[in-house]
Amino acid sequence: QVQLQESGPGLVKPSQTLFLTCTVSGGSISSGGYYWSWIRQHPGKGLEWIGYIYYSGSTYYSPSLKSRVTISVDTSENQFSLKLSSVTAADTAVYYCARETRAAGAHYFDYWGQGTLVTVSS
Amino acid sequence: QSVLTQPPSVSAAPGQKVTISCSGSSSNIGNNYVSWYQQLPGTAPKLLIYDNNRRPSGIPDRFSGSKSGTSATLGITGLQTGDEADYYCGTWDSSLSDVVFGGGTKLTVL
Repeated sequence: QVQLQESGPGLVKPSQTLFLTCTVSGGSISSGGYYWSWIRQHPGKGLEWIGYIYYSGSTYYSPSLKSRVTISVDTSENQFSLKLSSVTAADTAVYYCARETRAAGAHYFDYWGQGTLVTVSS
Repeated sequence: QSVLTQPPSVSAAPGQKVTISCSGSSSNIGNNYVSWYQQLPGTAPKLLIYDNNRRPSGIPDRFSGSKSGTSATLGITGLQTGDEADYYCGTWDSSLSDVVFGGGTKLTVL
């Protein structure tokens, strides 16, 4: 059973960089076949996809956040990470990491972390 | 404003059936597979349906999915109080080159 766990600061100051890590257990990122994503949910709102990374290091980011997002992978630790720069209060959200399956026209998130609330405030 | 449109809320009595709609366009639902997620209060979303109508292992057959044209539907039969949750549809949007979700539908089991 694949499990994902987010970790990182729960409070970030405006204009600083948010940094979160997702630790994967029960499966190896290096085995390939899956994409490793970040998704966020603003308080009381819907889901917003941030981007993914493949074990090879290949990334794709949502156009709406592309200029501020970096996702990286550490296969030796079976972890992947999110950096979001120049944060504002609008980046306050619960951040989830998830395993993503992509194929021709097919796309879904089958395993999710429990989520971590990040608040942007001075 | 979400790219995919869902009703904000639906309700039905225990044991009854409910459907939740998800409306999109040719750039998303019309040409890509749809997935559905259940988010119980205070928890992470859980995959219910993928590839329009397939259920992951462990998801009861009370949950079903369908797609027609640019709309998709989630059906839940034999409603239980434990089904009270927010439900989201999602897919890829080929024009936006982005993952898109519906705004979510809150299910109340009266």
